[in-house]
Parts: sequence; C-alpha cells; structure tokens
Amino acid sequence: TQLLEQSPQFLSIQEGENLTVYCNSSSVFSSLQWYRQEPGEGPVLLVTVVTGGEVKKLKRLTFQFGDARKDSSLHITAAQPGDTGLYLCAGALVDGNEKLTFGTGTRLTIIP
Amino acid sequence: DTAVSQTPKYLVTQMGNDKSIKCEQNLGHDTMYWYKQDSKKFLKIMFSYNNKELIINETVPNRFSPKSPDKAHLNLHINSLELGDSAVYFCASSQDLALGYNTDTQYFGPGTRLTVL
Repeated sequence: TQLLEQSPQFLSIQEGENLTVYCNSSSVFSSLQWYRQEPGEGPVLLVTVVTGGEVKKLKRLTFQFGDARKDSSLHITAAQPGDTGLYLCAGALVDGNEKLTFGTGTRLTIIP
Repeated sequence: DTAVSQTPKYLVTQMGNDKSIKCEQNLGHDTMYWYKQDSKKFLKIMFSYNNKELIINETVPNRFSPKSPDKAHLNLHINSLELGDSAVYFCASSQDLALGYNTDTQYFGPGTRLTVL
C-alpha cells in the first residue's frame, strides 16, 4: 500500500466534461503539491496547498486540501485536450521528514 | 536555456555494466535530487544533496553512488547494473531543502530512460 493513493488510476473523458481526481492518505501532510507530467518530460508543479481546507484556483483547475490535511482533490472544469497527462500529487509529511512522497498517479486522457 | 538538464536521454546497456547519468542545473539552487520512476509511473526519491552534502538516502542499494562536484551538478553512478534498475531517472533541484513548512518548488529534468538488457 502506497502512502498517497490517487483515484482514479486512469480516466478518459470527452472534451468539455468536468472531472475530479482524488489524492488520499491516512497520514497528515504539512503541504501538498500537484504536478502534471507529459510523455518524455519531467513533472511540472501546478500548485502547492499548505492550509487545511484551502482552495486554490488555476484557470479551469481547482485544488482543495482536506480540512485534516490528509487528502486533496483536483477538479478540472470543461476539460481540454491540452489537459491530457499524468497528474501526480506529492506531500511533505508533518514529521518534518525533508522529502516529497509522491502519489500513485492518475493518467488523464481528454478525447477531442 | 534549460533549467535542469540530464544526459543521456536514453541509455541501453547490458546487465553487469557500470554507467553514469549526469545532471546540471543553472537555477542557482542549493538542493538537488535523484528520483526513480518505475514502469507504473510511481516516482520515488533516491537521494538529495544540499550544498554538495548528502541529506537523504532512501535505502538505495550501494551500487548507486551519487556525486556532487559542485552545487550545480549531481551525477548518478550505477555499478553492476541489474534488470530491475530499468526505469526513468529524474534529476530535480530546489532553492532550499526543507519541504515541510517551506513549500519550495522542485524543478525536474527531462529524465533518463535506462534500459538494462
């Protein structure tokens, strides 16, 4: 069992639809980040959330950090083909361990 | 200019060989990392260096030896390569080390796909 479980693992939807990706753990995180990775490239940071209950918006993407800082969600409105990619959540554990723990990943495909 | 660069992009080699992957960052960051991404796309940290000093070593076999000649470079040398070493290896850098309350951005390189035959 991985520390950060993402669901769904795979998601394929039509352009224009909405979707939500979840990142869940039984551990508490000081902060949580979301990355997008495209084929042949490294992950690119989208957002960092640090406060329980925090909501951040990045154009059509909405990120939420759970109140207990154990989970997070990424909601995409009106998905576009350019949103296709591997989405990774990553958290810094509250015990001060100086490393990022990555989630299991969600591979998103937007069909034109 | 590429912020974090890695060479080579692809590496195909036989079991038992020794190989190196090089990483350079031109961001002026103090901290650099090596990650391994397996075939299921799971990304796991291997090492981190801060100002050329090893900070994190995630129980990686001692066949893997990172070397940081200066703050801008972190190379990864792998001895006696095994089939299970096949993966994509990512180098990354950030300004500071602490990732708890200091939510520093990590910048990743493009990855090196290692295939061991």
